[in-house]
Amino acid sequence: QKEVEQDPGPLSVPEGAIVSLNCTYSNSAFQYFMWYRQYSRKGPELLMYTYSSGNKEDGRFTAQVDKSSKYISLFIRDSQPSDSATYLCAMSAPGGFKTIFGAGTRLFVKA
Amino acid sequence: EAQVTQNPRYLITVTGKKLTVTCSQNMNHEYMSWYRQDPGLGLRQIYYSMNVEVTDKGDVPEGYKVSRKEKRNFPLILESPSPNQTSLYFCASSLETKRELHFGNGTRLTVT
Repeated sequence: QKEVEQDPGPLSVPEGAIVSLNCTYSNSAFQYFMWYRQYSRKGPELLMYTYSSGNKEDGRFTAQVDKSSKYISLFIRDSQPSDSATYLCAMSAPGGFKTIFGAGTRLFVKA
Repeated sequence: EAQVTQNPRYLITVTGKKLTVTCSQNMNHEYMSWYRQDPGLGLRQIYYSMNVEVTDKGDVPEGYKVSRKEKRNFPLILESPSPNQTSLYFCASSLETKRELHFGNGTRLTVT
C-alpha cells in the first residue's frame, strides 16, 4: 500500500464549476500537508500549505485536512481554464527529511 | 530572480554511458533533493542533501549518485544508465526540510 493515495483522473469540468481534489494517507505521523500545481513541461509549484488539521483559504482555493480520517482535500471555486494542470498532494512528518507525494490528479477545465 | 536551474532539459543517451544532470539554486537554500516522476507513480525521491557534504538516500537511490560540494549545486550522476532510468527528473530546494520546495523545470531523460 502506498503511503499517499491520489486518484490520477483525468478530471474534466466546465468553467465555473467547483472542483474537489482528494488524497488519503496511511502515516499518522504526517503533520505538514501541501498541494502543488504542475503545468505541462514545468516543475511543481506550491499552491497551499497547511500544518496539522483544519481549513485554509486563499482566494478561490481551500485546503482541508481531516487527520482523524487521514484525508486531505483541495477545493477550487469558480474554476478557470487556467486551472487546467496536474495537482499533487504532498505531506511530511516532524523530524523527517522526506516529502511524500501523491501520484497527481490531472484536471481539465473546459471554457 | 529566485530559481532552480536544471540542465539539460532533454537528454537521450545509450545504456552504460555515464551522464550528469546539473542543478543549481540561487536562494541560499540548505536543503536540496532529486526526484523522478513517472506516470502513475508520482514524484519519488532519489537523494537529498541537508547541507554541503551531507547527503542521504531517498526511496529510489539505486543506480544514482549525488554530490554536494557547494551549497548552490547538487548534480545527479548516472554512472551506467539503464532503460529503466528513462524518466522525468526534478531537482528541488528549500530553506528547511518541511517548508516549500522550489522545483526546477525538469530534465527528460531517455536511455536506449
